[in-house]
Amino acid sequence: AQSVTQLGSHVSVSEGALVLLRCNYSSSVPPYLFWYVQYPNQGLQLLLKYTSAATLVKGINGFEAEFKKSETSFHLTKPSAHMSDAAEYFCAVSDPDDMRFGAGTRLTVKP
Amino acid sequence: EAGVVQSPRYKIIEKKQPVAFWCNPISGHNTLYWYRQNLGQGPELLIRYENEEAVDDSQLPKDRFSAERLKGVDSTLKIQPAELGDSAVYLCASSLSPSTDTQYFGPGTRLTVL
Repeated sequence: AQSVTQLGSHVSVSEGALVLLRCNYSSSVPPYLFWYVQYPNQGLQLLLKYTSAATLVKGINGFEAEFKKSETSFHLTKPSAHMSDAAEYFCAVSDPDDMRFGAGTRLTVKP
Repeated sequence: EAGVVQSPRYKIIEKKQPVAFWCNPISGHNTLYWYRQNLGQGPELLIRYENEEAVDDSQLPKDRFSAERLKGVDSTLKIQPAELGDSAVYLCASSLSPSTDTQYFGPGTRLTVL
């Protein structure tokens, strides 16, 4: 069965600093990988998606993620954090029949 | 394009009472999902529909939960009777095709069982 592990339930960065949110997955088949963001009292919104076309995936709001098969990782990065990036971030892995979400990482951005 | 619509947004009930959640997916999306999200956790799938057929309901507690998707469009998720442990956010999502396609989420219904 596939699964996702997000390292760090809470990450705090200063405005303008690098954002790095970690995600490791396990899957018995080539995975589809997703990063979603959730703002308070809202549903999840897709940030970006990996479908094997390219290992470096660019998403919305300046985020990007790199698929590393050898490390079974799909970490999310953003060069410079903005106050509006404060939210909960979820990594997810999918095969044709099932999608599994990680427990989430809450990002706090300090002024 | 309208997104996934859910109602109500918030619901407070006493234990043993019934409750129902409604979802209207994005037009043309054949696949519909119901998830439960407990506080501080990621969404967990309850049931997945392909058109009007429930193709994955293995995680749905069938003794008290039921769902339907008549005509393959709107869907309703029901809990009867509700228990304290059912307090959570219930999310509905839809996609054009099954799991590998992007899922679009509604805002969720926050259920509090007293």
